Amino acid sequence: GENVEQHPSTLSVQEGDSAVIKCTYSDSASNYFPWYKQELGKRPQLIIDIRSNVGEKKDQRIAVTLNKTAKHFSLHITETQPEDSAVYFCAAGGSQGNLIFGKGTKLSVKP
Amino acid sequence: DAGVIQSPRHEVTEMGQEVTLRCKPISGHNSLFWYRQTMMRGLELLIYFNNNVPIDDSGMPEDRFSAKMPNASFSTLKIQPSEPRDSAVYFCASSRARNYGYTFGSGTRLTVV
Repeated sequence: GENVEQHPSTLSVQEGDSAVIKCTYSDSASNYFPWYKQELGKRPQLIIDIRSNVGEKKDQRIAVTLNKTAKHFSLHITETQPEDSAVYFCAAGGSQGNLIFGKGTKLSVKP
Repeated sequence: DAGVIQSPRHEVTEMGQEVTLRCKPISGHNSLFWYRQTMMRGLELLIYFNNNVPIDDSGMPEDRFSAKMPNASFSTLKIQPSEPRDSAVYFCASSRARNYGYTFGSGTRLTVV
C-alpha cells in the first residue's frame, strides 16, 4: 500500500543551526507534499507545501525540496530558534486524494 | 472563519459507555477526515468523507467505531462500547479538495477509565 517514511524520528540541534528532515514516498502518482508542525498539546498546522511541478519552495527560514525521480522530499529549517521545537510531519497526496502522513520527527532546539 | 470546530475538547468516560465526538468542518470544504493520535501509533487515519460520502473506512479499528456525516457541516464519530485502549486524541480535519492541505480541529482528548 501507499507509504511515507520519515527520518529521523528525533532531532536535536543547537539554536542557530540548521535542521533537515527527510521523507520518502511509495506512490509515484503523488503530486502534493505538505509539511505540518505540531506543538505540544496543539493541533497539527500546515507550514509549507510543494507540488510536483516545483523542485523547491522557500518561506523565510523554511524550505522544502522535492526529487520526484528518487521519490523523496525534505524540510530544511535554517537559523533554528527554540520556538521551532515541535513534532514535524510530512505527507504525500494519495491516489484517492487523501494524505498519507509520515510518523513524525520530534525536533528539539537547545538555547 | 472559525476553522474546524470539534467538541468536546476533553471527555472522560467509563469503560463500556458510549462516546460521541463531533466535528464541524470549514464551510466550503468537501472532504472531512477523522484521525486518532497516540504516542505509540502516531497519527492514524480512521475514516474520511468526500461530499458527505464515506470513501475509506479501512482505518476504523473495529465494529465498535462508527462515523456519520449527515450533511456538509457536521460529522460524528461514535465509539460503543468504549474501552481503555481507545484513549487518545481524536482529530477532525477538513480540506477544500483532493490533494489540498488539511485544516485540523483542536482535537478531543478521550480518556476511558
